[in-house]
Amino acid sequence: EVQLVESGGGLVQPGGSLRLSCTASGFTLTSYAMNWVRQAPGRGLEWVSTISGSGVSTYYSDSVRGRFTISRDNSRNTLYLQMNSLRAEDTAVYYCARRTNYYDSSGTARWGAFDIWGQGTMVTVST
Amino acid sequence: DIVLTQSPATLSLSPGERATLSCRASQSVGSFLAWYQQKPGQAPRLLIDDASNRATGIPARFSGSGSGTDFTFTISSLEPEDSAVYYCQQRMNWPLTFGGGTKVEIK
Repeated sequence: EVQLVESGGGLVQPGGSLRLSCTASGFTLTSYAMNWVRQAPGRGLEWVSTISGSGVSTYYSDSVRGRFTISRDNSRNTLYLQMNSLRAEDTAVYYCARRTNYYDSSGTARWGAFDIWGQGTMVTVST
Repeated sequence: DIVLTQSPATLSLSPGERATLSCRASQSVGSFLAWYQQKPGQAPRLLIDDASNRATGIPARFSGSGSGTDFTFTISSLEPEDSAVYYCQQRMNWPLTFGGGTKVEIK
């Protein structure tokens, strides 16, 4: 079964750090672009970060760039999100998600939508 | 950033009725638009990609259309289990963005 399981969430003080993990099963992480998407309590979805299958390319939202780092350990089939300098506004459920792969009509490899999601892990930044 | 505006915010309909949701982009996203369903306490679920392609295992009552800046998501005949929030999302440009969501309530 294709599955993503997040862990590592919890309560942290403002300015603190936390590392989230997302372990994949049923597929190989290196074959897909992997992502973190968050959802603040009662709010909508916000894309946070993406890492390519090779790990060479990374992308961040402006709200987390310079504070968060996405990475992967292919030997463990695990995705990470290192979160530093946490703020109250980072409080959210953090989901890891896989993007589909496909080739367009010109033969260009593209990333599609988020087709597989984990169950989410809650991060609360508060005193 | 590309802003996605969803309307209406809430839709309240009876089982068997047709639900029509709108997603408008602040600039063209081509057909690089997806729709997700999220039920309370659950992760989002991919329904539609490329504006109109149903994801694997998604029932035929769910459909999407549109291109450029105006998109429509339709549930042809509502089932009680369709009660959820529906989000559109674009992948034309970084940063990837989501709409604010439409809550579909079943009377």
